Amino acid sequence: NAGVTQTPKFQVLKTGQSMTLQCAQDMNHNSMYWYRQDPGMGLRLIYYSASEGTTDKGEVPNGYNVSRLNKREFSLRLESAAPSQTSVYFCASRRDRNTGELFFGEGSRLTVL
Amino acid sequence: AQRVTQPEKLLSVFKGAPVELKCNYSYSGSPELFWYVQYSRQRLQLLLRHISRESIKGFTADLNKGETSFHLKKPFAQEEDSAMYYCALNNQGGKLIFGQGTELSVKP
Repeated sequence: NAGVTQTPKFQVLKTGQSMTLQCAQDMNHNSMYWYRQDPGMGLRLIYYSASEGTTDKGEVPNGYNVSRLNKREFSLRLESAAPSQTSVYFCASRRDRNTGELFFGEGSRLTVL
Repeated sequence: AQRVTQPEKLLSVFKGAPVELKCNYSYSGSPELFWYVQYSRQRLQLLLRHISRESIKGFTADLNKGETSFHLKKPFAQEEDSAMYYCALNNQGGKLIFGQGTELSVKP
């Protein structure tokens, strides 16, 4: 089992460009999450999907959109990238909607010039 | 508002010394709390959760509802404990909120 897989691992964008971060899990988990990690700010929740067919905003949703394509996949889209979105992005999943351990991907390092 | 606070960005100790990483939370309901760890070049992974009340790699954490704290402790730090540690709070709506993280550096 691969667990949680994110692509791409690294990406450099110019301001205004768009891109989609892909995430897939093979653990049959119900809930999936997108976080960003910034020095001194910790992990901040961007969006999450408690179950297939639902998505909700987290702490820092502005500038992002998400799609829960099916139970396995949860993508994060930047429509018009800004330098403030330079960060490391983590996808995570867990089996239960309201409780339990999160399993993380390896992270995607995004730089916006 | 739901919030997790880790007041120390960096904690540096010598090998064999006790270590305590602080975590305070703000939550009106019954909290579910976790500690996650990120070793260099590895994924974030669960270290322990308050429900299980277990000791992992010599670490323990006790939920203190009166002080709204969930501090992580280890009596004798090892060099391999050097990592970034995150405290996290699970709310009943399915959100898992993380603190700012504490980098633990254990010197030989």
